Amino acid sequence: EPEVTQTPSHQVTQMGQEVILRCVPISNHLYFYWYRQILGQKVEFLVSFYNNEISEKSEIFDDQFSVERPDGSNFTLKIRSTKLEDSAMYFCASSGTSSETQYFGPGTRLLVL
Amino acid sequence: RKEVEQDPGPFNVPEGATVAFNCTYSNSASQSFFWYRQDCRKEPKLLMSVYSSGNEDGRFTAQLNRASQYISLLIRDSKLSDSATYLCVVNRGRGSTLGRLYFGRGTQLTVWP
Repeated sequence: EPEVTQTPSHQVTQMGQEVILRCVPISNHLYFYWYRQILGQKVEFLVSFYNNEISEKSEIFDDQFSVERPDGSNFTLKIRSTKLEDSAMYFCASSGTSSETQYFGPGTRLLVL
Repeated sequence: RKEVEQDPGPFNVPEGATVAFNCTYSNSASQSFFWYRQDCRKEPKLLMSVYSSGNEDGRFTAQLNRASQYISLLIRDSKLSDSATYLCVVNRGRGSTLGRLYFGRGTQLTVWP
């Protein structure tokens, strides 16, 4: 069964450092998403991406964040200068269309020290 | 008002019990509704979509009441493996918010032997 994959599974970084989280969506999907979940809190939408551009972003997705699809398979989330409050689990998801089921990757647990 | 509200629980039930979860959503324009389950420190996984006419998948029954903006999930004959957090998820599916999922905080279920 096709699945979304994410690397790394865990990332520890110092405050102010840049991190890049990587995702490989399901191959025939066209819509890509990033969500995050701070420990003990709900899953929150960050950004959606379609046709090589951002479709929508939440208020969380400020100038520190960027997304890119550098090739035909990867989808990345970059945090330019990490803050302590960026510590969370980051989930990538993909779907065939915008209204279809979104399938989530296993997540990257980011810890900012 | 929160987009999606759920009773956080926890619900602790014996094997074989029937348990029901409720959820309300605030935006009457919402188009698609889902129940996801999330195991501890794992990604959300789709349990079932929720349709206006109500739908059943084995031991799981989901209901939607658009007039009351209310969604429910009924689990019959609970198994130990049903222990997880159940997430109520809504997609407005229209205009600029197409694709964005709104998550409730989840209802924690523990099934004991």
